[in-house]
Amino acid sequence: AQSVAQPEDQVNVAEGNPLTVKCTYSVSGNPYLFWYVQYPNRGLQFLLKYITGDNLVKGSYGFEAEFNKSQTSFHLKKPSALVSDSALYFCAVRDVSGGFKTIFGAGTRLFVKA
Amino acid sequence: DTAVSQTPKYLVTQMGNDKSIKCEQNLGHDTMYWYKQDSKKFLKIMFSYNNKELIINETVPNRFSPKSPDKAHLNLHINSLELGDSAVYFCASSQAAGADTQYFGPGTRLTVL
Repeated sequence: AQSVAQPEDQVNVAEGNPLTVKCTYSVSGNPYLFWYVQYPNRGLQFLLKYITGDNLVKGSYGFEAEFNKSQTSFHLKKPSALVSDSALYFCAVRDVSGGFKTIFGAGTRLFVKA
Repeated sequence: DTAVSQTPKYLVTQMGNDKSIKCEQNLGHDTMYWYKQDSKKFLKIMFSYNNKELIINETVPNRFSPKSPDKAHLNLHINSLELGDSAVYFCASSQAAGADTQYFGPGTRLTVL
């Protein structure tokens, strides 16, 4: 069975500092991995995805994520955080080998302080 | 031009009532989804349709019944509403089932009193 874990409920970072939001996954086959962001009272918005190819994926708003197969991780990163990055971030995974279901992590709330 | 729209945005109702939430996407996508987000923000898939065919049917009470009249619409009907049904329900769509990016609607906040 596939699963995804976001070990931190909340991440706090000062504006201008680099940020990392962690995600680890478990699938029986090869994974498709996604990051979404949710702003208050809004639906989720796609940030980036890894399907195949280069392990470093670049996405919207300056975010990037690195696929690490040996550590089964897909951490979200940004070199310099903005106050406007404060939101709820979801990692998601789908097992290529079976089914159509995408599993979402529990979410990590990011607070960027000015 | 909203890509994925849901109506209503807010729904307040009494226990035992029957209610429906409507979803429409104008992206030309083949696949649509219903998710439930609880008070702790945990997001759980409920149903998915691909070209009007049900492809995901999670362990959801049979009081919940999805209907897809065409591939641009996926409605959710809930019978005999219970307090525990209070949540935010999100509709989403993707080009095809599986790997593709999902586009989410703004959500419907359901409150059962």
